[in-house]
Amino acid sequence: SQQGEEDPQALSIQEGENATMNCSYKTSINNLQWYRQNSGRGLVHLILIRSNEREKHSGRLRVTLDTSKKSSSLLITASRAADTASYFCATDNTGNQFYFGTGTSLTVIP
Amino acid sequence: NAGVMQNPRHLVRRRGQEARLRCSPMKGHSHVYWYRQLPEEGLKFMVYLQKENIIDESGMPKERFSAEFPKEGPSILRIQQVVRGDSAAYFCASSGVINTEAFFGQGTRLTVV
Repeated sequence: SQQGEEDPQALSIQEGENATMNCSYKTSINNLQWYRQNSGRGLVHLILIRSNEREKHSGRLRVTLDTSKKSSSLLITASRAADTASYFCATDNTGNQFYFGTGTSLTVIP
Repeated sequence: NAGVMQNPRHLVRRRGQEARLRCSPMKGHSHVYWYRQLPEEGLKFMVYLQKENIIDESGMPKERFSAEFPKEGPSILRIQQVVRGDSAAYFCASSGVINTEAFFGQGTRLTVV
């Protein structure tokens, strides 16, 4: 299966701390995307990183991609209670479909 | 520029009825993807469509499920003779061209009673 796998499954931190989530996948990809999903809501696109990129920033988000290890990490700096959500990585190798993992559930405690 | 619009947001059906889920992609997007999310699980790919064509339906159950994306109008995911196990959130995403961001709708939560 191509499916990305996030790690850890659940993460609980204090407000202000950094949160790091990892994603591993199995085959070569064109790009990898991170999404956030608040409870009972749709997915919000956070960031896309292409296979020829190693790092990308967007506000408090930092994404890295290591194609040799087939892994990516999402770092949220200076976390806020509003960051509480599930975070999914999605990989795309054919342009036809995105494969999602089961997500990391992040809880930021005020 | 409205985002991906899905309707209805919530749908309740009795076992054996039909469920029709609609997805209007973002303006200018011609690629539509449908995903299903069971409670406490990740998203599972169902089908990928372009206008008037099914490109990849490898994630679609072989029976009772069908999808279309006509030249005019929204994409439709149709589930015939629903069963309790079809209860899930169904998400639609659209993208402009291959290898670009996919934007998701808010989902349709189907409950089969």
